[in-house]
Amino acid sequence: GESVGLHLPTLSVQEGDNSIINCAYSNSASDYFIWYKQESGKGPQFIIDIRSNMDKRQGQRVTVLLNKTVKHLSLQIAATQPGDSAVYFCAQMVLTFGGGTRLMVKP
Amino acid sequence: DAGITQSPRHKVTETGTPVTLRCHQTENHRYMYWYRQDPGHGLRLIHYSYGVKDTDKGEVSDGYSVSRSKTEDFLLTLESATSSQTSVYFCAISGGQGRNYGYTFGSGTRLTVV
Repeated sequence: GESVGLHLPTLSVQEGDNSIINCAYSNSASDYFIWYKQESGKGPQFIIDIRSNMDKRQGQRVTVLLNKTVKHLSLQIAATQPGDSAVYFCAQMVLTFGGGTRLMVKP
Repeated sequence: DAGITQSPRHKVTETGTPVTLRCHQTENHRYMYWYRQDPGHGLRLIHYSYGVKDTDKGEVSDGYSVSRSKTEDFLLTLESATSSQTSVYFCAISGGQGRNYGYTFGSGTRLTVV
């Protein structure tokens, strides 16, 4: 039968070039963002994270940029190597609150 | 990944049979999760656990049940496997003491229902 493969956006770069992978998010309340790398046959692996009170964070060869105004996140990989070949996922976490409970303490 | 193991790594089963996947962690993390990964859908949360005997449903929980009788193990059961449950299943843990508030994922279980 016919097989349908995953249609993922693909970025192709030359070894040694810098790579920029982009991610748009929808929830303005997101306060924590993570980039994961998934190699073929493996689970997602943490690369770098950033909290919403920051706009840039650097790791080893990787930099994450956060633009909350346009709800955009990017991952920059410097001097891309063959070992960087993988699928990259961005993820967001939102701190959500319940309605609250008022505690009144009688003297 | 170190500290989290999934078993089996691969399984082929027949439609209608029960299947149990196991996730084992040695990190003493409080939270454990089961995701499935399918082409075009990314990772979708099936069930999660926030402590021993404390579990809750994710976005695609129909047809699945879970159990967590001890901190280390989180079991995912397909009571009667269907072809639509053919997927790659990932377990994840979170809630450690480190700076990383994200999840650590296992290596996955590839399940084929024929």
